Order: sequence, then C-alpha cells, then structure tokens
Amino acid sequence: SYELTQPPSVSVSPGQTARITCSGDALPKQYAYWYQQKPGQAPVLVIYKDSERPSGIPERFSGSSSGTTVTLTISGVQAEDEADYYCQSADSSGTFHVVFGGGTKLTVL
Amino acid sequence: EVQLVQSGAEVKKPGESLKISCKGSGYSFTSYWIGWVRQMPGKGLEWMGIIYPGDSDTRYSPSFQGQVTISADKSISTAYLQWSSLKASDTAMYYCVRNRVEMNNYYFDYWGQGTLVTVSS
Repeated sequence: SYELTQPPSVSVSPGQTARITCSGDALPKQYAYWYQQKPGQAPVLVIYKDSERPSGIPERFSGSSSGTTVTLTISGVQAEDEADYYCQSADSSGTFHVVFGGGTKLTVL
Repeated sequence: EVQLVQSGAEVKKPGESLKISCKGSGYSFTSYWIGWVRQMPGKGLEWMGIIYPGDSDTRYSPSFQGQVTISADKSISTAYLQWSSLKASDTAMYYCVRNRVEMNNYYFDYWGQGTLVTVSS
C-alpha cells in the first residue's frame, strides 16, 4: 500500500526556519497537503496543492515540491507553531486512496 | 461560515452498536463529499471513507471496509459513522471532514471538533 514518510520530530529555536519533509513515490503526480494539529485540537489545513496557503494562514508557512519529496517550511518560527504536522496525499491509481504521513512533532526550543 | 458540528463523546462496551453524527452548515451540504478520519490515542491520522450526500455514493478505505458504515441524511445536512459491534480497538477520536475532490486529488478543508469514542468493559 502507498505510504508517505515524515521525520518523527524536528526542533528549532524561535525565529529560525523549520523544514519538515514528506516523501512518497506518487508525489510527482499527486498534490500534497499539510495539516497542523495542536494538542487537544482538530487538525487545520495550512498548505494545499503543494504550495498554496488557505486564507487566514500566516505567510511564514510555505510549501514546495521536488520529485518524490514535498517540504513544509515555517520561517521565523514562533512558540505557537509548536504542533504535530501531517502531510497527506493520494496514490495515483485514480481511486479514493487517501494517505497521511505519520506526522512530525515540531518542538520550539 | 462553514461548520461541521459533531455529536458528543461516547462510552460503550465491547459488542455494542454506535452511530455518531456530523452536521454541516454554512455551505451546500449536497455538493461536497464528507469524510471521516480516525485518530487513535497518541497516534496519527487515518482516512476511513467518504460519502457524497447528493447521491449517497460512498467509498471506504480498504482498512475500514466492512468495519464501519458511513451514511448521510441530506434533509438534515447530517453525516453518520456507525458500528454494529464495537471493539476495544475502536477507542479513538473520530473527526468528520469536508472532503474536496479535484482531479483525483483529495483533501480536507474543514474539520469537525471530533467525537471521542471509548470502548471498555
């Protein structure tokens, strides 16, 4: 079955740049999406279609894609950005096979 | 404003049945797919399946096919997730999501607040 691979954890100091990667064989053909989940809250969409930002999401959140890897970048990290981040995509078979990455815990030191 | 409001937390015993709900508002309920996502305690997100309330077309993740039933009542803008016989391993938070489908790409732009289901003897 199709899988998306993320690092379990990333740590950065406030004001630095955090980069969270997500790898999957179908990513060159399928868009990736990113969700932020803070403790005790429902996830929130922060990036769609690899690099688009929904309204209301701060400009410090950006996304990029290169081959089989997509990257969520948070520039000028703030303490409030500490959360779990999940990438999500689908396989390229044309069926509803939605997949989430395992999640990355972002710690702001 | 788009909202998905889910039913409250449930505590059930193994073998019991359960149906939880998700009411959509602020948009055309019959024009968007509605899905369910499971999050087991301390774990990641798992997509369970979706339904198109306009015609009740339903699709399931292979992992959840036969384990749950997804339905919708478009007259009251409500989607449901149900179990006929719960197991302890069904203990989890369940989120309903508005599922966007665009050219074989699928994502979730709005999430409900979650329904915690606890199954314990």
